Amino acid sequence: LAKTTQPISMDSYEGQEVNITCSHNNIATNDYITWYQQFPSQGPRFIIQGYKTKVTNEVASLFIPADRKSSTLSLPRVSLSDTAVYYCLVEGETGRRALTFGSGTRLQVQP
Amino acid sequence: ETGVTQTPRHLVMGMTNKKSLKCEQHLGHNAMYWYKQSAKKPLELMFVYNFKEQTENNSVPSRFSPECPNSSHLFLHLHTLQPEDSALYLCASSQDELAGGTSTDTQYFGPGTRLTVL
Repeated sequence: LAKTTQPISMDSYEGQEVNITCSHNNIATNDYITWYQQFPSQGPRFIIQGYKTKVTNEVASLFIPADRKSSTLSLPRVSLSDTAVYYCLVEGETGRRALTFGSGTRLQVQP
Repeated sequence: ETGVTQTPRHLVMGMTNKKSLKCEQHLGHNAMYWYKQSAKKPLELMFVYNFKEQTENNSVPSRFSPECPNSSHLFLHLHTLQPEDSALYLCASSQDELAGGTSTDTQYFGPGTRLTVL
């Protein structure tokens, strides 16, 4: 399984753009990159998923360079409610359906 | 609301008690999962069920016993637990694509059961 590395924590202020980068040097050809968000005492929630280049949805953007050894989750204009832990996962091996969570990045948004 | 419900939301039990956690998914998925999240530790996969069949047991102690009577319901039976088993227990479901090649299964998590073992 590909291992991911991301910062333990980040701080930001309301209205700023936040970029969280994840390293996954051993990503396999079939692997997708998925980000989840988790609030305290709740289950993780899917944010965005991508394979290469750029993906954008109503919540975030995901930037993936050509070598796919890293990815960046971009949250535009964060608010206090974006304070959470963000997990980067790399999964896709056929037959392996469960997710391997790392420690995630704890984002603290200040007013 | 993710379409995955868990009951109870909070549970306090003694080490000699027997209790069960329940998970129900209303998404028509065919795979269900149990995860454990202890304080300041990453989520740990416990069990995986595909089409009601257990496909993975991640070296979980036998005091945790899963049951999947159908693709919509998943239980975790607890007996003679230890205080270190206190954690947030999360259930998730996904649509497991059987075609070969890349898997992009998105998992939908329930709110979890906060378990405290005294």
